[in-house]
Amino acid sequence: GQQVMQIPQYQHVQEGEDFTTYCNSSTTLSNIQWYKQRPGGHPVFLIQLVKSGEVKKQKRLTFQFGEAKKNSSLHITATQTTDVGTYFCAGEASSGSARQLTFGSGTQLTVLP
Amino acid sequence: DAGITQSPRHKVTETGTPVTLRCHQTENHRYMYWYRQDPGHGLRLIHYSYGVKDTDKGEVSDGYSVSRSKTEDFLLTLESATSSQTSVYFCAISELYLNTEAFFGQGTRLTVV
Repeated sequence: GQQVMQIPQYQHVQEGEDFTTYCNSSTTLSNIQWYKQRPGGHPVFLIQLVKSGEVKKQKRLTFQFGEAKKNSSLHITATQTTDVGTYFCAGEASSGSARQLTFGSGTQLTVLP
Repeated sequence: DAGITQSPRHKVTETGTPVTLRCHQTENHRYMYWYRQDPGHGLRLIHYSYGVKDTDKGEVSDGYSVSRSKTEDFLLTLESATSSQTSVYFCAISELYLNTEAFFGQGTRLTVV
């Protein structure tokens, strides 16, 4: 079945440093979504990428979808303590008759003040 | 936050007992999902619904059943709870299937002892 690997599992950064999490799929994706979950909270949708090579920005967050549509990344510039949480990617497989969304295991970000 | 309410928010139950979790939405979204979240596994789909009385299995459906008798309610039942079903359960809703933002409920922490 489809697998979505996400690295790193944990990341500690000093406030002001940059942060990147990577998502790799075993199969070609039709689209990929990113979610953020604050400690003790629920996942909240951040963005969806659909096109090969697509890059989208939300303030300090930059999202990329690979040319082959098998990988994606989320980059945060100059982290703040409000960025603390777990970031999940979720990819939808583009092949086969059964559409499904597979979540990565997440990257837990800690920002040290 | 989208109008999604999960109940109960916390539950402790004994092995072998039946348990029902409820998800209620006020958004009139067609699609509803039940996920479980475990450390190192991200979110895994248990079951989903694409309309009243229309449901389908996800990747980890064994030991779970669902029902949707009304658009706004989606019930998840553990017929005979086991310790391996100790987890945090999230309900989610979306207007379209997969290729759109999903809104998550607050989660239910279930402990099976």
